[in-house]
Amino acid sequence: GAGVSQSPRYKVAKRGQDVALRCDPISGHVSLFWYQQALGQGPEFLTYFQNEAQLDKSGLPSDRFFAERPEGSVSTLKIQRTQQEDSAVYLCASSLGEAKNIQYFGAGTRLSVL
Amino acid sequence: GDSVTQMEGPVTLSEEAFLTINCTYTATGYPSLFWYVQYPGEGLQLLLKATKADDKGSNKGFEATYRKETTSFHLEKGSVQVSDSAVYFCALLKGTYKYIFGTGTRLKVLA
Repeated sequence: GAGVSQSPRYKVAKRGQDVALRCDPISGHVSLFWYQQALGQGPEFLTYFQNEAQLDKSGLPSDRFFAERPEGSVSTLKIQRTQQEDSAVYLCASSLGEAKNIQYFGAGTRLSVL
Repeated sequence: GDSVTQMEGPVTLSEEAFLTINCTYTATGYPSLFWYVQYPGEGLQLLLKATKADDKGSNKGFEATYRKETTSFHLEKGSVQVSDSAVYFCALLKGTYKYIFGTGTRLKVLA
């Protein structure tokens, strides 16, 4: 596709459920990023992939959060045993080659944990 | 730690009014600075950037100047349009890829 695609756009989960959020980056983009945006806040960095390698996961808030990109294209952010404080918009971004500072963002997945 | 502070919204203006959205930052060194815009239902889009002191970024009539002495990167536009209604995020780049964003400022432009 022409842009970064995220699915689902909206997800409602009961507390304690596991969720999986998908990101399809722009074709050919080597770098992929996940951000968490709480209500009324700016996006906060979660993790960074270069191809299939997860080079930085310093922003993941707990060990319940796990991200993967097994073939260096599509990525999945998984949250286990969701808690209410996990409610947020999860943004995915990708960038081409060495220009990691120019990131193209998807529209996000809004997760609501009840 | 590094941080970005931007004015709270919403900012409501009439069409053709002058726009300023304030942004200040705290950082070690001299990071690159960015403005991103988010239109309803869409992802964040890069609006403009500046990589060193006194640089002016510009795009679509928007401008921002990197002011080292005041650690600021205020966004300005001389004449806003209804189509400029969106949320604007100021950000700094920490290292080569990690953005630190402000909380965003919602702009509403009335016809």
